[in-house]
Amino acid sequence: EDQVTQSPEALRLQEGESSSLNCSYTVSGLRGLFWYRQDPGKGPEFLFTLYSAGEEKEKERLKATLTKKESFLHITAPKPEDSATYLCAVQAGSTDKLIFGTGTRLQVFP
Amino acid sequence: DAGVIQSPRHEVTEMGQEVTLRCKPISGHDYLFWYRQTMMRGLELLIYFNNNVPIDDSGMPEDRFSAKMPNASFSTLKIQPSEPRDSAVYFCASSERWGYTFGSGTRLTVV
Repeated sequence: EDQVTQSPEALRLQEGESSSLNCSYTVSGLRGLFWYRQDPGKGPEFLFTLYSAGEEKEKERLKATLTKKESFLHITAPKPEDSATYLCAVQAGSTDKLIFGTGTRLQVFP
Repeated sequence: DAGVIQSPRHEVTEMGQEVTLRCKPISGHDYLFWYRQTMMRGLELLIYFNNNVPIDDSGMPEDRFSAKMPNASFSTLKIQPSEPRDSAVYFCASSERWGYTFGSGTRLTVV
C-alpha cells in the first residue's frame, strides 16, 4: 500500500533558525512528489513538484530535494510569515490521485 | 481567474439531514477531486473525476456519500443521512493533470 509519512508533526523555530522537514514515502512507481503549504482556514497551496531522485527546486527561503525514499523541505532563515502547515503528497502508478501525508505544522517566532 | 469555488464555506446540520456541498472548478481543468480533511486522518481522497466521468470512488466511506459532475463547471458531494462522524473540512480541487488547485473548503459540522 502506498504510504507517505511526514516528520516532525510540529516544529517551533526562532526567526532566522534554519531547519528541514522530512517526507518519507513507500510507493510503487513514483510519478511525482508534491509539496503544499496550508494556512489556517484555507485550502492547500501548491509549492513544488519533484519528479526524480536528485532533483531540487527553490522558492524564496524554501528548497525541496528528493531521494529514492524521501524528500526534504529546507527552510533557510525563516520568518514568521512562513508559519503554516506543510503537506507532502505523492502521485504513483497509473492513478492521477495524490496521497497526502498528515503534514508538519511550522511555527516561526520573532 | 477566481480559482476553485466551493459553497457553502460553513455548514452546520443535524444528524440525519441531507447535506450538499458544491464546487466550481477552474475553467479548462479536466480533473476534479473531492478530499476530506480531519485532524486524525489528514487529507483523504473521496472521489475524482476526469472529463466529468468518475474514475476512482474507492475513498467514498459508504453509501451515504455520493458525488456527481453533471458538466465541466460543476460538481456536488452529497451526504444522506449525515452523521456526527462526517464532521470535517471538505475540499474540492481541480487540475490539468499536475499540481492541483484547491478551493477554500467547506467546514461541515453535524450535531
